[in-house]
Amino acid sequence: AQSVTQPDIHITVSEGASLELRCNYSYGATPYLFWYVQSPGQGLQLLLKYFSGDTLVQGIKGFEAEFKRSQSSFNLRKPSVHWSDAAEYFCAVGPTLFGNEKLTFGTGTRLTIIP
Amino acid sequence: GAGVSQSPRYKVAKRGQDVALRCDPISGHVSLFWYQQALGQGPEFLTYFQNEAQLDKSGLPSDRFFAERPEGSVSTLKIQRTQQEDSAVYLCASSPSGGAGYGYTFGSGTRLTVV
Repeated sequence: AQSVTQPDIHITVSEGASLELRCNYSYGATPYLFWYVQSPGQGLQLLLKYFSGDTLVQGIKGFEAEFKRSQSSFNLRKPSVHWSDAAEYFCAVGPTLFGNEKLTFGTGTRLTIIP
Repeated sequence: GAGVSQSPRYKVAKRGQDVALRCDPISGHVSLFWYQQALGQGPEFLTYFQNEAQLDKSGLPSDRFFAERPEGSVSTLKIQRTQQEDSAVYLCASSPSGGAGYGYTFGSGTRLTVV
């Protein structure tokens, strides 16, 4: 069965510093991979997604993620965080078979930004 | 509408009460998903519709949970005889056909508290 591990429950970063959020997945084939962000009381917003091709994916709000098949990882990065980036971040893996479209999410990483 | 709309935003139910949660997806979106997000956890898949057909209900935790989408647009998630363990945020998401490939658009969720 597919699964996602986000090993960091909570990360604190200074404003302007770089950020890396870790995500490891388990899946039997090449998956679709996603990062979502959730602000308090809100739904999830898609930051970026990977299907195939270039392993470095650019997303919204200055985020990027790199797919590393050998490490089964899809870590999210941002070179300089802003206070508005404080939120919960979820990595998710999805099937590559059309018709079976559910996503499996990790437990999330809460990001706190300090001035 | 422009986004996925869920109502009510908050629902407090007494244990044993039946509740109905509504999801109004983006117009024209074929796929509709329900997820359950417990406090401090990532979303967990409940069920999936393609138009009016419920293609996957493997995530529904018990036969007290029932979902429908009779005309292929609005969906209702019904929980009968609510229990305290049903307390969670219920998220609805929709996507064009081939949802996993596009990433979903999530609603803001309904927070259900069972007392």
